[in-house]
Formats: sequence, C-alpha cells, structure tokens
Amino acid sequence: KQEVTQIPAALSVPEGENLVLNCSFTDSAIYNLQWFRQDPGKGLTSLLLIQSSQREQTSGRLNASLDKSSGRSTLYIAASQPGDSATYLCAVSPLQGGSEKLVFGKGTKLTVNP
Amino acid sequence: DTEVTQTPKHLVMGMTNKKSLKCEQHMGHRAMYWYKQKAKKPPELMFVYSYEKLSINESVPSRFSPECPNSSLLNLHLHALQPEDSALYLCASSQYPANTEAFFGQGTRLTVV
Repeated sequence: KQEVTQIPAALSVPEGENLVLNCSFTDSAIYNLQWFRQDPGKGLTSLLLIQSSQREQTSGRLNASLDKSSGRSTLYIAASQPGDSATYLCAVSPLQGGSEKLVFGKGTKLTVNP
Repeated sequence: DTEVTQTPKHLVMGMTNKKSLKCEQHMGHRAMYWYKQKAKKPPELMFVYSYEKLSINESVPSRFSPECPNSSLLNLHLHALQPEDSALYLCASSQYPANTEAFFGQGTRLTVV
C-alpha cells in the first residue's frame, strides 16, 4: 500500500529565505507526483506536476524535483514571501490499485514571517 | 480557464435534511472526483467518475449519493447525515482518469447540526 510522508510537519522561516519541503513515498510505481498549496479553509491549488519520467519541473520561484527510484521529491521555494504561507501537500498517482486515486501526504504547514 | 466551481461555499444542515452539493468544470475534463477533508487532515477520496460513469466508490455510506448529469457537472446528494460528516467537501477534475493533473475547487464547508 502506497504511503506518502511529508517532513517537516511545520516550518517557520523569515521572509526572503530559500527553503525546501520534503516528500517521500513507499512505492516507486507511480504515474506522477503533484504538489499542491492549500490556504486555511480553502481548496487545493495545483503548483507543479512531475511525470514519472521527469526529474524536475519549475514554475516561477518554485522548483520540484523527483527521484522515483529512491521515492523522494522536494519542493524548493526561492526568496520566500509572507504570501507563501500555506499548507503544502504532495500527492502521488499510483500505477496499481487505481491510478485515478491520489495518495496524499499530511502536508507541511509553512509560515513566512515578515 | 483552469477553474472548478463548487456551490454552495458553506452549508449548514440538520440530520433530517436533504441537500445537494454542486460542482462544475468547463475544461473538457473526463474525470471528476469528490474528496472529503477533515480539519488538519489530507483529502480522502470518496468517488470517481470516469467518462460520466461511476468508476470508484471508496465504501462511502449510502447517505452520500453522487450523480454526474453530464461531462461538466457533478453533484453530491446528502441525506440523513451525521454530525461527524461535517467537513470540507472538495470536487476535482482531470483531463483523463489517470496520469493527468488534477484541479480542485474551493470546496463546500458542510456543518451537520
């Protein structure tokens, strides 16, 4: 059974700092991995999608990497801003057991202090 | 337009009420999903519709009844809910059922009293 773990559970940084969020998964048989942002009480906003054949994706100040063989992904946020404060979730789409399902980690709550 | 629209944003209902949640997307996506999210927990999959047919039901109690009237609309009919069903209900869609990016709506905050 696929399990997704995110470390740390919470992170507080000063504005302007570069930071890395970690995601690990137990089964490397995945279609893709997706990073989401969630503001309190709101829906999920898709940030980046990495296909299993890709190593990284970039969007603005965000860079996500994928090492499928080791079951790890990182989300790098450059020059963090208070507006980046949110919970960040990673999710994998498993090859087996129903690829329609997204298996989520519990998220990392990020606070960027002005 | 990468928008999934959910209505209502907030809903308070009694345990004997019948209500419906609605979800709409105009991206031509052929897969639509209902997720349930409790506070400080990740979303949990409830139902998947692929090409307007129910493909996955994650053993959800029958007091939740999904419906997909057409490829753009997804409803969740609610009846005889319990207070523990109070949660954020999220709708999502993707171009195909597998291996494509999922887009989520802003959710309906449901409170059962």
